[in-house]
Amino acid sequence: QVQLLQSPAEVQMPGTSVIVSCAASGYKFTNYGITWVRQAPGQGLEWVGWISASNGNTKYSRRLQGRVTMTKDPSTNTAHLELRRLRPDDTAVYYCARTELVRGRRGVDNWSDPWGQGTLVLVSS
Amino acid sequence: QSVLSQPPSASGTTGQSVTISCSGSSSNIGRNTVYWYRQFSGTAPKLLIDTYNQRPLGVPDRFSGSKSGTSASLAISDLLSEDEADYYCAAWDDSLDATVFGSGTKVTVL
Repeated sequence: QVQLLQSPAEVQMPGTSVIVSCAASGYKFTNYGITWVRQAPGQGLEWVGWISASNGNTKYSRRLQGRVTMTKDPSTNTAHLELRRLRPDDTAVYYCARTELVRGRRGVDNWSDPWGQGTLVLVSS
Repeated sequence: QSVLSQPPSASGTTGQSVTISCSGSSSNIGRNTVYWYRQFSGTAPKLLIDTYNQRPLGVPDRFSGSKSGTSASLAISDLLSEDEADYYCAAWDDSLDATVFGSGTKVTVL
């Protein structure tokens, strides 16, 4: 079955960087993009960005632009999220999700399914 | 602050129906498909339904989605205790060039 398995929890100091990985299985990796979403403790979902299936094009949250980079490695069916210059308010569970993002006659279809189990990133000194 | 607006909570008794609203604008709900995600406490969100009532396998037809103008709704009929969860709406926003989420609605079954 389609599955996304994420790397384990990370504890990082403010100002450093973190890389979260997302290993996909059960589908053709290059047919779907990957969306990253984060959820701070007790808060709602925040979109971090998206990376294209086919050509590696990316779209990032304006709030995180300049600090975030998303990459995909088709040879290992793995997507990576790097967040730099970490701040305490970056503390959150980070999720990856298989995504289809397509513009058609009825507008943009943008669904994400399934999601990874989540990776807690704790930023603390 | 979320781009899409949802009520923070909704409730009903077993067997009743509950409807959750999601309000947006012409750059998101007004022109693009709206999706609903359900999240049980401590677990990852899961795709539930879209505004064209397309559901992943296993999602019962007690869940229905709709859209009118710049607002969308999720209706849950025949409420069960297992429906207690947080529900989020989401859509692509053409102005922001990003996915926007609602603030989430916690459904309680009394």
